Formats: sequence, C-alpha cells, structure tokens
Amino acid sequence: DQQVKQNSPSLSVQEGRISILNCDYTNSMFDYFLWYKKYPAEGPTFLISISSIKDKNEDGRFTVFLNKSAKHLSLHIVPSQPGDSAVYFCAASDDSNSGYALNFGKGTSLLVTP
Amino acid sequence: NAGVTQTPKFRVLKTGQSMTLLCAQDMNHEYMYWYRQDPGMGLRLIHYSVGEGTTAKGEVPDGYNVSRLKKQNFLLGLESAAPSQTSVYFCASRSARFNQPQHFGDGTRLSIL
Repeated sequence: DQQVKQNSPSLSVQEGRISILNCDYTNSMFDYFLWYKKYPAEGPTFLISISSIKDKNEDGRFTVFLNKSAKHLSLHIVPSQPGDSAVYFCAASDDSNSGYALNFGKGTSLLVTP
Repeated sequence: NAGVTQTPKFRVLKTGQSMTLLCAQDMNHEYMYWYRQDPGMGLRLIHYSVGEGTTAKGEVPDGYNVSRLKKQNFLLGLESAAPSQTSVYFCASRSARFNQPQHFGDGTRLSIL
C-alpha cells in the first residue's frame, strides 16, 4: 500500500529552466516531508524538508511547497543545472511513529540537458 | 567526515548461506534504520532501532534479523539467504531531535544466486 506516490517516473528539463517534481500522499498523519537526491551507486542525500505547519521552504535553488488539503507537495529547482540530473525521492514521516520511519515514493529520474 | 559507513559494498551469496551487513555511524545518532531498494521501487523499511539494545520491525522484516549492541553500530543479518533478498541495502541514522532528516550510507549491493 503505497502511501507516498510519485506519478512521474522521469522528467527532462533544459538547463536554466525550472524543474518541478511532484509527490502525493494518502496518510493524513504525515507531518514531516523530505526530498532526497540519489546518484547511481550512492546513497540518498538529504536535499530539503518541510514541516506540516509550513507551506513553503526555500534553500538556494530548491523550494518545496506543501498543500495539506490536497495532500500534495512539490519540489522546484530554479535554475536547473546538469549536475541536478539524478533520481529524486519524496519521503514522509508521522510524528506518532516512534521510530520516525520514512515512507518513500518510487522516485522521479530528472535529466537536465545542456 | 565519514557519516554512515556500510560494509561490505558488494557481495554475492548462494541460496541458503548466511551473512551480516554492518552499518556504523559517527554522528552519535540515536536512531538507525535498514532499508532495501529494489528496481523501480522506493526504499522499504526492514528494521529500525531507537536506541542501543532496542530493535523493531519495519514494513518488510521477514527473513532478516538485526542487532544494536553499540549505539554506533547496527547489524543486519540474513540467516538463510533467498534469491528474493537480492537487493541494494541502505542503512540510515538520525538524531532523536524533532524534525531531523535521516542520513544514508552508500549501500550494499547483495546478489543471491
């Protein structure tokens, strides 16, 4: 039962343009959301997160938006760079879960072309 | 600047063999996790630990055992490996403080023939 869904397996964007990666979730108890970036043969690297009390969080070129009523979050990368080409995972956790375990989406493979 | 270190990086086993994957973290994190990632899938939680001497089951615990005898180490064991356990295994750790990310190792690629 996939509680976090990334419905776009892949996305291709030109360098300098905006990349928008989307994520939907079904569990209304989720209250902390994260994006991870993963290169081949490496572990996921934390990128940015957002708490459910906020609707936006920015860190340099990366912005995450949260729409709780729609159970939807998105990651915006502006401007996109070739080095951003990677698989991006959306993840969510439930504060009532004693282990703060993460539920992951299946990932979106982003390709930024020169 | 090690962070989370996993050993070994690669291993090939025969069906029925046993092995232990080691995870070590140097960030003094309280919580540690083992995930597996299969092609086209996100990471799925196998077991986790909220402190030394404690472990709990995750989403896909069958066929695995874990131990956390020291705070910095989290071991994942396969008692009798099966081809369905062919996967990439990731270990992660995090602080017990509120709203903290998990930090991952680079994974162990395990093939079971």
